[in-house]
This record gives sequence, structure tokens and C-alpha cells, in this order.
Amino acid sequence: DQQVKQNSPSLSVQEGRISILNCDYTNSMFDYFLWYKKYPAEGPTFLISISSIKDKNEDGRFTVFLNKSAKHLSLHIVPSQPGDSAVYFCAASALEYGNKLVFGAGTILRVKS
Amino acid sequence: DGGITQSPKYLFRKEGQNVTLSCEQNLNHDAMYWYRQDPGQGLRLIYYSQIVNDFQKGDIAEGYSVSREKKESFPLTVTSAQKNPTAFYLCASSPTSGSFNEQFFGPGTRLTVL
Repeated sequence: DQQVKQNSPSLSVQEGRISILNCDYTNSMFDYFLWYKKYPAEGPTFLISISSIKDKNEDGRFTVFLNKSAKHLSLHIVPSQPGDSAVYFCAASALEYGNKLVFGAGTILRVKS
Repeated sequence: DGGITQSPKYLFRKEGQNVTLSCEQNLNHDAMYWYRQDPGQGLRLIYYSQIVNDFQKGDIAEGYSVSREKKESFPLTVTSAQKNPTAFYLCASSPTSGSFNEQFFGPGTRLTVL
């Protein structure tokens, strides 16, 4: 049973426009959420995170929104750049589970120039 | 430079052979993790260690073994019991086991069973 779901395997966006990547979770115990970016044949790199006590966190072009009632979070990238083309993983954790990360399957983002 | 190193980057193994993947970190992190990535799937946790000389099974530990004799090292052995070992293996570490867990990843090892 996938506790963290990224239902869109891929997304294609024009350079300069907004990219919106979505993530849903089923476990209400999750209290911390992270987004990672991964290029082919490399390890993921941390992008941005959000605690369950917040509904928004912003870092430059990247903003993460959390809707706890819907168990949904999204990553907004504005403006999108060709270098943003990568696989984006959503991850969730819960203090009760020792803060181990549970990852979604990832969304491939392609930013066209 | 501080970071996590994994070696080798590519590894080929014949069926029936055990193979050990290396993971070293100089970030002084307490916790270390091994994940496996398959196409179309997220990262799945194999084993993790929160402190030296201690480790726990993750979600898919069968066919794998680990050791944590030193803080900076967390090698993963893929044994012949692992039914489908061809995958991309990622090692990660995090500052402390009990607090929020921004994990730092190594570059990965791609293992192919011939």
C-alpha cells in the first residue's frame, strides 16, 4: 500500500511558466514533508520541506503548499527553467516512525525552452 | 569537501555471487540509510542505522545485509538470496536520528546482475 503517491508520472512545461507537482498521502501521522530533485544517475538532492504546522513554505522560485485536510501537498516552481528538468520525489515522515522517509514514485518534469 | 561517497558507480555481478557496495560519509552524521530505486518506483528503504553498531531492517531487507562498525561507513552486501538485485542503490545520511530528517544522498551505485 503506497502511503505517498505522486499520480503524475511526468509533466511538461514551457520555460518561464509555472510547474506544479502534486503529492498525496494517506497516513495522517505524517508530520513533515520534503521534496527532492534527482538528475539521472545521481543521488537526490534536498529541495524544500514543510512541517505540518504550516501550510506554505517558500524558498526562491520554489514554494510548497500543504493541505492537511486533503492530505495533499504541491510544489510550485515559478518561473520554470530548463535546468529544473529532473525527477521530483515527494517524501513524508512521522516522529512516531522514527522519522524514516517514505517516498513517492516521482514525477519527471521536463521544461521546454 | 564534506559529503557522501559511494563506490563503485557501476557494478556487475554474476548470479549467485555476493557483492558489497561501499558508502562513506564525512559529515559526522549519526544516521545512515540504504535505499533501492527501481524504474517507476520511489526509493524503498533497505536498512538503516541510527548509531554505530546498531541497525534495523527497512521495508525490503530480505537478501541484504549491512554492518555499522564505524560512524562514517555503512556498507551494504547484496547476497545471492536477493531475487532481483539489479537496481540503483542509494546511500544517505542525516544529522541525528531523532530530529527532522533532511537526508543527504550519495551519487548511487548501479548494480547489474548478468
